[in-house]
Amino acid sequence: DQQVKQNSPSLSVQEGRISILNCDYTNSMFDYFLWYKKYPAEGPTFLISISSIKDKNEDGRFTVFLNKSAKHLSLHIVPSQPGDSAVYFCAASSGAGSYQLTFGKGTKLSVIP
Amino acid sequence: EAGVAQSPRYKIIEKRQSVAFWCNPISGHATLYWYQQILGQGPKLLIQFQNNGVVDDSQLPKDRFSAERLKGVDSTLKIQPAKLEDSAVYLCASSRDRASEKLFFGSGTQLSVL
Repeated sequence: DQQVKQNSPSLSVQEGRISILNCDYTNSMFDYFLWYKKYPAEGPTFLISISSIKDKNEDGRFTVFLNKSAKHLSLHIVPSQPGDSAVYFCAASSGAGSYQLTFGKGTKLSVIP
Repeated sequence: EAGVAQSPRYKIIEKRQSVAFWCNPISGHATLYWYQQILGQGPKLLIQFQNNGVVDDSQLPKDRFSAERLKGVDSTLKIQPAKLEDSAVYLCASSRDRASEKLFFGSGTQLSVL
């Protein structure tokens, strides 16, 4: 039973355009959401997060949007750069003060120069 | 600041053999996690330590997997005996404490069980 779903295994975007990565979740107890980025042969690195009390969080070129009623979040990257090419994992946690993360399967983003 | 160190980087064993992975977290990080990432899947939590105590090992297959963090610093994950389905990347992560959402991951150990 997958509680965090990333239904697009891959995404290709032209350099300079917007990349939109989507994530859906089923567990209503999730109250904190994170995006991690992973390059080949490296561990995932934290990118951006959002609490369930917000619907948007922005950090430079990266913005995460949360739609609690739809149990959906998305990561927007504007403008996309070739260095953004990586696998992006959506993750979620529940329970205050303890970040046991449930990860999605990941979306491989390719930014084409 | 040094990152999370893991060794070995790769390991190939035959089924029914045993294997151990080592992790040294970022200095001062109280919380340590072991994750299993099977090809094509997201990382799955195996065990969480707070200092030298286990917080959650509910997803650890305890009949064959064991983990320890005796002095509250580095940690070892062992599999004995290994099965074919244990082939995966084993990721260690640490965070400042349980309330920190920023987990720092090591590069992982890629295990192949033949």
